[in-house]
Amino acid sequence: GAVVSQHPSWVICKSGTSVKIECRSLDFQATTMFWYRQFPKQSLMLMATSNEGSKATYEQGVEKDKFLINHASLTLSTLTVTSAHPEDSSFYICSAKSAGGGGTQYFGPGTRLTVL
Amino acid sequence: AQSVTQLDSQVPVFEEAPVELRCNYSSSVSVYLFWYVQYPNQGLQLLLKYLSGSTLVKGINGFEAEFNKSQTSFHLRKPSVHISDTAEYFCAVSDLPGTYKYIFGTGTRLKVLA
Repeated sequence: GAVVSQHPSWVICKSGTSVKIECRSLDFQATTMFWYRQFPKQSLMLMATSNEGSKATYEQGVEKDKFLINHASLTLSTLTVTSAHPEDSSFYICSAKSAGGGGTQYFGPGTRLTVL
Repeated sequence: AQSVTQLDSQVPVFEEAPVELRCNYSSSVSVYLFWYVQYPNQGLQLLLKYLSGSTLVKGINGFEAEFNKSQTSFHLRKPSVHISDTAEYFCAVSDLPGTYKYIFGTGTRLKVLA
């Protein structure tokens, strides 16, 4: 149980284009999902908290107009990187919070974004 | 604000030897504590968690951790490691109450040597 998927697992795009990443909780409903960014050999940096049916809450320093988050259902959240640039290249990981268990987060496998 | 310290960035250990990965957190009224493992190019997998109750927590793959409130620590241990345990290990504290945001440590790279 508690499986989270992400799609795509790897994407390469040209500078200036937009990329959408999906995060799905497969066997449980997640009212809250989180989006993280991870640079090589570093820890995870929380970008935003996504709540179903409401606007996402962004961490300080994260551009909300660049990283658009939509949480339209209890099992799906999407992150759209708009007008991507090479500095946006990174590993993006989502997690979904379970209803019980102290808010345990279950993580997706991550999406490797490379912007050329 | 909460903070999590993983003092060891890398821990090399020989196969079948015991290992301890250290995690300390800043004090708080109450905390939820987690250990996750990350294999290369993958997401994080939950190893174990402490929410309440017994301070010794057993997780998957033979790992266990002990919550020590007085020392604000949550060290991860395994009595005998395998090559397959080579990975990055992250300690996390849940931000209470309400948001359940995690505060992550910087990670410890466990390298098991043959």
